Amino acid sequence: QVQLQESGPGLVKPSETLSLICTVSGGSISSYYWNWIRQPPGKGLEWIGYISNSGSTNYNPSLKSRVTISVDTSKNQCSLKLSSVTAADTAVFYCASRYCTNGVCYFNKWGQGTLVTVSS
Amino acid sequence: DIQMTQSPSSLSASVGDRVTITCRASQSISSYLNWYQQKPGKAPKLLIYAASSLQSGVPSRFSGSGSGTDFTLTISSLQPEDFATYSCHQSYSTPWTFGQGTKVEIK
Repeated sequence: QVQLQESGPGLVKPSETLSLICTVSGGSISSYYWNWIRQPPGKGLEWIGYISNSGSTNYNPSLKSRVTISVDTSKNQCSLKLSSVTAADTAVFYCASRYCTNGVCYFNKWGQGTLVTVSS
Repeated sequence: DIQMTQSPSSLSASVGDRVTITCRASQSISSYLNWYQQKPGKAPKLLIYAASSLQSGVPSRFSGSGSGTDFTLTISSLQPEDFATYSCHQSYSTPWTFGQGTKVEIK
């Protein structure tokens, strides 16, 4: 049973870089596409981007200039870096695996999420 | 970007009620539509994928329908554990986008 666990600082200063890690257990990180999704307090979900099992990435254009997603297969971890953060980046951040059936893709496994607050 | 609009934003219902939530896409997305349930402080949970396919382990009182631009999630008989926020999600094209959510509250 694949399980995901996000970790990282809960507080980041404005203009700095937010860095989070998603640790995958119960399966190989090389088997899926790994996504990051965020949810500002009281608001809806926003897809940030993914890294494929071949290492290619696809980012939301609204964040593309500030986002980097990478994988460390030796540690079975996926990481997210979001640069030049502002208060608007305060959110719960989730990692999620993408699964596809008959061409339709969806997020079948999610981490529990981690709240990151941007404040000085 | 494809905009996903849910209605209503919130609703109050009683246990046993039939509940319907609507999701409309700003352009046709065929059946590339998924539904998630989210409880406070928890991660979303997949309920329905490909517009009408029930995820394994999800109770059969949940059902989905629609194609193109208009979709619905129906709970046939609302149970106490169903009070939550429901969000639709299109995976037709990136950037993948979500509806703003529908909060189902106890009447």
